[in-house]
Amino acid sequence: SQTIHQWPATLVQPVGSPLSLECTVEGTSNPNLYWYRQAAGRGLQLLFYSVGIGQISSEVPQNLSASRPQDRQFILSSKKLLLSDSGFYLCAWTGGGPGGYTFGSGTRLTVV
Amino acid sequence: DQQVKQNSPSLSVQEGRISILNCDYTNSMFDYFLWYKKYPAEGPTFLISISSIKDKNEDGRFTVFLNKSAKHLSLHIVPSQPGDSAVYFCAASAGGGADGLTFGKGTHLIIQP
Repeated sequence: SQTIHQWPATLVQPVGSPLSLECTVEGTSNPNLYWYRQAAGRGLQLLFYSVGIGQISSEVPQNLSASRPQDRQFILSSKKLLLSDSGFYLCAWTGGGPGGYTFGSGTRLTVV
Repeated sequence: DQQVKQNSPSLSVQEGRISILNCDYTNSMFDYFLWYKKYPAEGPTFLISISSIKDKNEDGRFTVFLNKSAKHLSLHIVPSQPGDSAVYFCAASAGGGADGLTFGKGTHLIIQP
């Protein structure tokens, strides 16, 4: 069966520090992968999606970047965090089934 | 421009009664709609979906209704239970599949004992 792993679960980082969040998927090949952010009082905002290794599409301009070094690995990064980067970050994958996305358990990022 | 709108940020319903969550969309190309449920500090989980060729889909206590002419869908939960307290996201996609989803902002459903 397919599973998605996302870590860490919580993270507190100072302003200006770097960020690296990792997401891996098991049990499937060539999934479409997504990074979403849920900021306080807002819905799910799509940040990046990837249809294959090295293929990254950005949906909104921001202080973040994404990479897909392997088929089932998706990384969200920042060189210098801003206070506005605080939020709940979700990784998701889809293989086209009727349920749409399968989400990871999320990372609560607080930038202080 | 928000293509999927959930205009009620929160909804409070008494246990045992019906909960009705609403969702409107503007993109006429959307043809597949989903509802997700999210508990705090967890990722959303798939609840129920409906294709545009249908106007109703039912799964246990959950029913989704689609009104294409009004570009409106709703999720009915009956009877409502305490474990239903969560944030519910409406999502839509174009092209007949469940990929490339656009999400609404969510409605926080609170079930009162």
